[in-house]
Amino acid sequence: KAGVTQTPRYLIKTRGQQVTLSCSPISGHRSVSWYQQTPGQGLQFLFEYFSETQRNKGNFPGRFSGRQFSNSRSEMNVSTLELGDSALYLCASSRTTQGSEGYTFGSGTRLTVV
Amino acid sequence: KNEVEQSPQNLTAQEGEFITINCSYSVGISALHWLQQHPGGGIVSLFMLSSGKKKHGRLIATINIQEKHSSLHITASHPRDSAVYICAGPYYGGSQGNLIFGKGTKLSVKP
Repeated sequence: KAGVTQTPRYLIKTRGQQVTLSCSPISGHRSVSWYQQTPGQGLQFLFEYFSETQRNKGNFPGRFSGRQFSNSRSEMNVSTLELGDSALYLCASSRTTQGSEGYTFGSGTRLTVV
Repeated sequence: KNEVEQSPQNLTAQEGEFITINCSYSVGISALHWLQQHPGGGIVSLFMLSSGKKKHGRLIATINIQEKHSSLHITASHPRDSAVYICAGPYYGGSQGNLIFGKGTKLSVKP
Protein backbone atom coordinates (compact mmCIF):
# COMPACT_ATOMS: atom_id res chain seq x y z
CA LYS A 1 0.00 0.00 0.00
CA ALA A 2 1.57 3.29 -1.09
CA GLY A 3 2.19 5.89 1.58
CA VAL A 4 1.62 9.61 1.49
CA THR A 5 3.65 11.11 -1.35
CA GLN A 6 4.89 14.66 -1.30
CA THR A 7 6.56 16.34 -4.26
CA PRO A 8 9.00 17.82 -4.71
CA ARG A 9 11.29 16.75 -1.84
CA TYR A 10 13.46 19.85 -2.07
CA LEU A 11 12.88 23.27 -3.53
CA ILE A 12 14.86 26.50 -3.69
CA LYS A 13 12.99 29.68 -4.55
CA THR A 14 13.74 33.37 -4.60
CA ARG A 15 11.99 35.96 -2.45
CA GLY A 16 8.84 37.22 -4.13
CA GLN A 17 8.26 34.08 -6.17
CA GLN A 18 5.41 31.67 -5.60
CA VAL A 19 5.55 27.94 -5.03
CA THR A 20 3.15 25.01 -5.28
CA LEU A 21 3.62 21.82 -3.28
CA SER A 22 1.77 18.58 -3.88
CA CYS A 23 0.51 15.84 -1.58
CA SER A 24 -1.02 12.53 -2.67
CA PRO A 25 -2.76 10.79 0.23
CA ILE A 26 -3.11 7.09 0.90
CA SER A 27 -5.80 5.55 -1.26
CA GLY A 28 -9.14 5.85 0.49
CA HIS A 29 -8.07 8.75 2.69
CA ARG A 30 -10.21 11.80 2.09
CA SER A 31 -8.59 14.20 4.52
CA VAL A 32 -5.31 15.99 3.87
CA SER A 33 -3.74 18.32 6.42
CA TRP A 34 -0.74 20.58 5.90
CA TYR A 35 1.84 21.61 8.49
CA GLN A 36 4.84 23.92 8.56
CA GLN A 37 7.90 23.01 10.62
CA THR A 38 10.61 25.53 11.47
CA PRO A 39 13.38 25.35 14.08
CA GLY A 40 11.90 28.30 15.96
CA GLN A 41 8.19 27.54 15.92
CA GLY A 42 8.18 23.77 15.61
CA LEU A 43 5.22 22.16 13.89
CA GLN A 44 2.25 24.37 13.11
CA PHE A 45 -1.02 23.56 11.44
CA LEU A 46 -1.73 25.27 8.11
CA PHE A 47 -5.05 23.85 6.90
CA GLU A 48 -7.10 20.72 6.46
CA TYR A 49 -9.11 19.63 3.44
CA PHE A 50 -11.77 16.96 3.41
CA SER A 51 -13.74 16.02 0.32
CA GLU A 52 -12.46 19.09 -1.54
CA THR A 53 -13.58 21.50 1.20
CA GLN A 54 -11.32 23.40 3.56
CA ARG A 55 -12.41 22.30 7.03
CA ASN A 56 -10.02 24.23 9.22
CA LYS A 57 -7.32 26.87 8.81
CA GLY A 58 -4.40 27.78 11.01
CA ASN A 59 -3.06 31.19 11.86
CA PHE A 60 -1.15 31.93 8.66
CA PRO A 61 -1.41 34.90 6.27
CA GLY A 62 -3.50 34.75 3.14
CA ARG A 63 -0.35 34.12 1.07
CA PHE A 64 -0.75 30.50 2.13
CA SER A 65 -3.55 28.73 0.33
CA GLY A 66 -4.51 25.25 -0.66
CA ARG A 67 -6.97 23.12 -2.52
CA GLN A 68 -8.01 19.53 -2.83
CA PHE A 69 -9.02 17.69 -5.96
CA SER A 70 -11.71 15.08 -6.48
CA ASN A 71 -9.10 12.29 -6.20
CA SER A 72 -8.14 13.69 -2.75
CA ARG A 73 -4.75 14.91 -3.91
CA SER A 74 -3.99 18.28 -2.42
CA GLU A 75 -1.80 21.22 -3.30
CA MET A 76 -0.67 24.12 -1.22
CA ASN A 77 0.50 27.40 -2.66
CA VAL A 78 2.59 30.12 -1.12
CA SER A 79 2.69 33.42 -2.99
CA THR A 80 5.14 36.29 -2.62
CA LEU A 81 7.65 34.14 -0.78
CA GLU A 82 9.51 35.57 2.19
CA LEU A 83 12.75 34.36 3.76
CA GLY A 84 10.76 33.26 6.80
CA ASP A 85 8.78 30.81 4.69
CA SER A 86 11.85 28.57 4.55
CA ALA A 87 10.67 25.43 6.31
CA LEU A 88 9.81 21.78 6.04
CA TYR A 89 6.23 21.44 4.81
CA LEU A 90 4.53 18.21 5.79
CA CYS A 91 1.20 16.81 4.81
CA ALA A 92 -0.74 14.06 6.52
CA SER A 93 -3.70 12.08 5.36
CA SER A 94 -6.46 10.36 7.28
CA ARG A 95 -9.66 8.51 6.48
CA THR A 96 -11.81 10.87 8.46
CA THR A 97 -11.72 14.55 9.22
CA GLN A 98 -10.03 15.56 12.47
CA GLY A 99 -7.92 12.40 12.31
CA SER A 100 -10.09 10.38 14.62
CA GLU A 101 -8.48 7.25 13.20
CA GLY A 102 -4.97 8.67 13.19
CA TYR A 103 -2.75 10.31 10.59
CA THR A 104 -0.17 9.11 8.08
CA PHE A 105 2.50 11.66 7.29
CA GLY A 106 4.49 12.24 4.15
CA SER A 107 8.26 12.76 4.03
CA GLY A 108 7.87 16.49 3.54
CA THR A 109 9.02 19.16 1.11
CA ARG A 110 11.96 21.21 2.28
CA LEU A 111 11.57 24.75 0.93
CA THR A 112 14.46 27.19 1.01
CA VAL A 113 13.79 30.82 0.12
CA VAL A 114 16.84 32.86 -0.82
CA LYS B 1 2.85 29.03 27.51
CA ASN B 2 2.67 26.16 25.05
CA GLU B 3 -0.48 24.15 25.52
CA VAL B 4 1.43 20.91 24.97
CA GLU B 5 4.62 20.63 27.01
CA GLN B 6 7.23 17.91 26.62
CA SER B 7 10.14 16.96 28.83
CA PRO B 8 12.98 16.58 28.57
CA GLN B 9 13.90 18.62 25.50
CA ASN B 10 17.06 16.59 24.97
CA LEU B 11 17.93 13.13 26.15
CA THR B 12 21.11 11.11 25.74
CA ALA B 13 21.08 7.46 26.74
CA GLN B 14 23.31 4.44 26.51
CA GLU B 15 22.17 1.50 24.45
CA GLY B 16 19.98 -0.78 26.51
CA GLU B 17 18.67 1.89 28.88
CA PHE B 18 14.99 2.37 29.68
CA ILE B 19 13.78 5.76 28.43
CA THR B 20 10.79 7.87 29.42
CA ILE B 21 9.53 10.98 27.64
CA ASN B 22 6.72 12.97 29.22
CA CYS B 23 3.95 15.08 27.72
CA SER B 24 1.55 17.36 29.60
CA TYR B 25 -1.23 19.32 28.00
CA SER B 26 -3.51 22.08 29.18
CA VAL B 27 -6.15 21.93 26.48
CA GLY B 28 -9.03 19.53 26.58
CA ILE B 29 -8.25 16.77 24.15
CA SER B 30 -9.85 13.43 23.54
CA ALA B 31 -6.76 11.60 22.32
CA LEU B 32 -3.04 12.07 22.13
CA HIS B 33 -0.61 11.22 19.36
CA TRP B 34 3.02 10.22 19.70
CA LEU B 35 5.10 10.87 16.59
CA GLN B 36 8.67 10.00 15.65
CA GLN B 37 10.76 12.16 13.34
CA HIS B 38 14.10 11.01 12.00
CA PRO B 39 16.77 13.43 10.72
CA GLY B 40 15.48 13.09 7.14
CA GLY B 41 12.31 14.89 8.22
CA GLY B 42 9.56 12.36 7.64
CA ILE B 43 7.20 11.73 10.53
CA VAL B 44 5.93 8.34 11.62
CA SER B 45 2.85 8.05 13.79
CA LEU B 46 3.68 5.73 16.69
CA PHE B 47 0.53 5.77 18.80
CA MET B 48 -2.83 7.41 19.12
CA LEU B 49 -4.39 6.79 22.52
CA SER B 50 -7.27 8.11 24.50
CA SER B 51 -6.97 5.97 27.64
CA GLY B 52 -4.79 3.43 29.35
CA LYS B 53 -1.76 1.99 27.68
CA LYS B 54 -0.65 0.81 24.24
CA LYS B 55 2.40 -1.29 23.37
CA HIS B 56 4.18 -1.84 20.09
CA GLY B 57 7.40 -3.77 20.23
CA ARG B 58 9.75 -1.98 22.63
CA LEU B 59 7.57 1.14 22.74
CA ILE B 60 4.90 1.71 25.36
CA ALA B 61 2.62 4.73 25.61
CA THR B 62 0.40 5.58 28.56
CA ILE B 63 -2.10 8.33 29.11
CA ASN B 64 -4.03 9.72 32.06
CA ILE B 65 -6.81 11.87 30.64
CA GLN B 66 -7.85 13.24 34.05
CA GLU B 67 -4.31 14.39 34.85
CA LYS B 68 -3.70 15.47 31.22
CA HIS B 69 -0.43 13.60 31.08
CA SER B 70 1.07 10.99 28.77
CA SER B 71 4.37 9.15 28.73
CA LEU B 72 6.29 7.33 26.04
CA HIS B 73 8.62 4.58 27.22
CA ILE B 74 11.30 2.82 25.22
CA THR B 75 12.63 -0.40 26.68
CA ALA B 76 16.10 -1.74 25.79
CA SER B 77 16.91 1.39 23.76
CA HIS B 78 18.95 1.06 20.58
CA PRO B 79 20.88 3.62 18.49
CA ARG B 80 18.20 3.30 15.78
CA ASP B 81 15.73 4.81 18.28
CA SER B 82 17.63 8.09 17.96
CA ALA B 83 15.07 10.59 16.68
CA VAL B 84 12.86 13.44 17.76
CA TYR B 85 9.71 12.32 19.55
CA ILE B 86 6.73 14.66 19.40
CA CYS B 87 3.43 14.49 21.21
CA ALA B 88 0.37 16.15 19.72
CA GLY B 89 -3.25 16.53 20.64
CA PRO B 90 -6.25 17.12 18.42
CA TYR B 91 -7.77 20.51 18.97
CA TYR B 92 -11.22 21.18 17.70
CA GLY B 93 -12.07 24.67 16.65
CA GLY B 94 -10.17 27.92 16.75
CA SER B 95 -7.22 28.83 14.60
CA GLN B 96 -4.88 26.27 16.08
CA GLY B 97 -6.27 23.70 13.75
CA ASN B 98 -6.51 20.02 14.06
CA LEU B 99 -3.32 19.21 15.98
CA ILE B 100 -1.33 21.08 18.62
CA PHE B 101 2.25 19.90 18.88
CA GLY B 102 4.81 19.77 21.63
CA LYS B 103 8.28 21.10 20.85
CA GLY B 104 9.69 17.59 20.69
CA THR B 105 12.25 15.56 22.62
CA LYS B 106 15.51 14.88 20.82
CA LEU B 107 16.72 11.42 21.81
CA SER B 108 20.24 10.22 21.13
CA VAL B 109 21.10 6.63 22.00
CA LYS B 110 24.82 5.88 22.13
CA PRO B 111 26.17 2.39 21.37
